[in-house]
Amino acid sequence: DQQVKQNSPSLSVQEGRISILNCDYTNSMFDYFLWYKKYPAEGPTFLISISSIKDKNEDGRFTVFLNKSAKHLSLHIVPSQPGDSAVYFCAASAWAGNQFYFGTGTSLTVIP
Amino acid sequence: DTGVSQDPRHKITKRGQNVTFRCDPISEHNRLYWYRQTLGQGPEFLTYFQNEAQLEKSRLLSDRFSAERPKGSFSTLEIQRTEQGDSAMYLCASSSGTGEGNEQFFGPGTRLTVL
Repeated sequence: DQQVKQNSPSLSVQEGRISILNCDYTNSMFDYFLWYKKYPAEGPTFLISISSIKDKNEDGRFTVFLNKSAKHLSLHIVPSQPGDSAVYFCAASAWAGNQFYFGTGTSLTVIP
Repeated sequence: DTGVSQDPRHKITKRGQNVTFRCDPISEHNRLYWYRQTLGQGPEFLTYFQNEAQLEKSRLLSDRFSAERPKGSFSTLEIQRTEQGDSAMYLCASSSGTGEGNEQFFGPGTRLTVL
């Protein structure tokens, strides 16, 4: 049973525009959420996280929004750059848990 | 470089053979995780160590899989009697705690191909 879902397998965006990647989860015990970025032949790289006490967290061009009632989070990248082209994974865990549940990923292509 | 390292990066083996992978975590991290990733999927949790103690195992970890972290530093993952369904990327990650700030840092992975 997929507890973390990324329903868009791919997304294409023009350079300079906003990229919005979405993630839904089903387990109400999840309270810590992360986004990872993965290039081919490399392991996932941590990008940004958010805990359930917040609804927004920003780090430079990256902002994560959390809507707990909808069990939905999104990653906004503004402005998008060609180097952002990668697969983005959403992950979730319970606060005291050690197991992270990952979505299936969204492949972002930023077109120059 | 003080990142997570994994060895080998690629392994091709015949069905029925045993294989062993090694992971060296970030030195100050006491938590170590193994994941498996297949094409089109996200990483799936296999097992977790805190120091040398293996504290959680996924039901994905069949009896043919065994993981160790004997001195609380590097870890090995052994697969006995490999099957074609074991073909995947095996990822290792380490972290220093739980909750906020418990970002897991991943290694480059070991890609296993079972012929």
